[in-house]
Amino acid sequence: QVQLVQSGAEVKKPGASVKVSCTASGYTLTNHYVHWVRQAPGQGLEWMGTINPSGTGTKYAQKLQGRVTMTRDTSTSTVYLDLSSLTSDDTAEYFCASEVADTFYFDYWGQGTLVSVSS
Amino acid sequence: QSALTQPRSVSGSPGQSVTISCTGTSSDVGYHEHVTWYQQHPGKVPKVMIYDVSKRPSGVPDRFSGSKSGNTASLTISGLQAEDEADYHCCSYAGTYGYVFGTGTKVTVL
Repeated sequence: QVQLVQSGAEVKKPGASVKVSCTASGYTLTNHYVHWVRQAPGQGLEWMGTINPSGTGTKYAQKLQGRVTMTRDTSTSTVYLDLSSLTSDDTAEYFCASEVADTFYFDYWGQGTLVSVSS
Repeated sequence: QSALTQPRSVSGSPGQSVTISCTGTSSDVGYHEHVTWYQQHPGKVPKVMIYDVSKRPSGVPDRFSGSKSGNTASLTISGLQAEDEADYHCCSYAGTYGYVFGTGTKVTVL
């Protein structure tokens, strides 16, 4: 069964950092870009950034530049999202999603990881 | 990069057609042929309904169709069914800016 499995929910204080993982099961991410998308409560989807199949290249949304880092471990088909200097505005469900290289749509999605930021 | 503009909600009776618009700019929707529509039921993850403006993945009913004119893409659901009630999000490739999603539209089946 093809799926992306994400790490569990996190509760953080303002100013802290969070690291979320996303592991492919049932397939490898050899030829896949992995994207991170978040959804604040009751809101739409927001694209955060992507990492290329080899892990050597990333592209981030402008508004998150300087706070976001995406890395991947190709040996374990795992991708990581690091987000620093958290504020309450970062409270959201965070999804990873895969894209077969250069198809420009996200075919498989992780189950989501809720990150709550509160003092 | 600002979010693409979608109506907050649309509604229709079973069997009717509804159309959702998605307005961007000449840097995203208007320039690239990579507009995707995702369906999201409450508590579920998004699912691709249309990609590359008008292509349907295997398994998606043919009552879902997509089109684009200028800076506006559209998703039409013909023959509305109860299971189509969900949130719909458009997404456009935006070149060096990556991707941009729409504001999301709630479809209600009356």
